[in-house]
Amino acid sequence: NAGVMQNPRHLVRRRGQEARLRCSPMKGHSHVYWYRQLPEEGLKFMVYLQKENIIDESGMPKERFSAEFPKEGPSILRIQQVVRGDSAAYFCASSPGQGGSGNTIYFGEGSWLTVV
Amino acid sequence: TQLLEQSPQFLSIQEGENLTVYCNSSSVFSSLQWYRQEPGEGPVLLVTVVTGGEVKKLKRLTFQFGDARKDSSLHITAAQPGDTGLYLCAGVGSTSGTYKYIFGTGTRLKVLA
Repeated sequence: NAGVMQNPRHLVRRRGQEARLRCSPMKGHSHVYWYRQLPEEGLKFMVYLQKENIIDESGMPKERFSAEFPKEGPSILRIQQVVRGDSAAYFCASSPGQGGSGNTIYFGEGSWLTVV
Repeated sequence: TQLLEQSPQFLSIQEGENLTVYCNSSSVFSSLQWYRQEPGEGPVLLVTVVTGGEVKKLKRLTFQFGDARKDSSLHITAAQPGDTGLYLCAGVGSTSGTYKYIFGTGTRLKVLA
């Protein structure tokens, strides 16, 4: 997972505040994915983005959550008015291409959000 | 909806034992990856399998992709405490023309010294 940079690694927010999680993909990768992992569970897909485009957001909650991947700068996952149930590890991954045979995604080390 | 189920969900074994983890789906995947995740860290890629029937070895780990590309297995020989972790399989599938990486439910392995 070297190369995919996420920050902050740990974030504490009070209920009602906003959380912003950043992800810089590996060099040369233009595809970014966000996943959420609750304690003791597997990874749940949230959103798939390319530069300036949201390709698939079928895993994103309808409200309070948004994601972007601007032409310049990192991808950002934004959670507004956080609630305790948003507490989780959020993982970003990147890949050089969309998918298909042989494509692989590489993960960052995650951002742990705690809502108090 | 494409789903990947892993079994067993939890496994606790003694050092030196062998084990197999299974990853099954009713869907066909163009490729499949196996990852290992340790507490507090992100998943780390172990292997990618692409061809039906493909077998890949990584030291004491043997990965196999089913002939029909719907399932995969991970076999660990002579497990060591360092093998402890969450093992995740991920299939690359297509939904409405968009490729998506679909993760299995995970297998938590604990190897006791």
